[in-house]
Amino acid sequence: AQTVTQSQPEMSVQEAETVTLSCTYDTSESDYYLFWYKQPPSRQMILVIRQEAYKQQNATENRFSVNFQKAAKSFSLKISDSQLGDAAMYFCAYRSARGFGNEKLTFGTGTRLTIIP
Amino acid sequence: DAGVTQSPTHLIKTRGQQVTLRCSPKSGHDTVSWYQQALGQGPQFIFQYYEEEERQRGNFPDRFSGHQFPNYSSELNVNALLLGDSALYLCASRPKGLLNSPLHFGNGTRLTVT
Repeated sequence: AQTVTQSQPEMSVQEAETVTLSCTYDTSESDYYLFWYKQPPSRQMILVIRQEAYKQQNATENRFSVNFQKAAKSFSLKISDSQLGDAAMYFCAYRSARGFGNEKLTFGTGTRLTIIP
Repeated sequence: DAGVTQSPTHLIKTRGQQVTLRCSPKSGHDTVSWYQQALGQGPQFIFQYYEEEERQRGNFPDRFSGHQFPNYSSELNVNALLLGDSALYLCASRPKGLLNSPLHFGNGTRLTVT
């Protein structure tokens, strides 16, 4: 079974600074997807960024980027130029690429990010 | 275009009772998944429905059951409620034909069991 570990229950960063959230995972599969989701107080899970394991290039979405280290099974999220609206719980998640019937997301326990004005 | 909608937003039930939660997927979506998120935890997969059938199930007892209707909406039923069933229940949907597309989540139903 796959597991996802987020070892930082809470992080804080000064507005406009950069912060990195850590995630490690365990799997015996070679093809899979990794995600970072953001959950603000509204409770809705919002996709921040996604990485396909077969791609060597790290994914980037505006101020959000990842450092994907497949051999180390590490998937960290870097938020640049932090904004007040970035404050939320951030969840790392894993999904197999085996296809139909294997689509469940396995989530970590989350990191609460606080932005200091 | 409405996203994934869930009802009710909150509800309170007594131990031993039964509850039904509802989800309407986003327009153009046909696959619905349910997740349970206990306080301070990440969501845990309950099951997924496609073409009105349960296609994948997580480690939840048979007290948790579901249904998907021809219009793709879905219900989650929990029988014989336990205090430990108190959680946020999230519904997520996926676009038709796009197996590798990320899920879209609703705002959840907060269930409190007393």
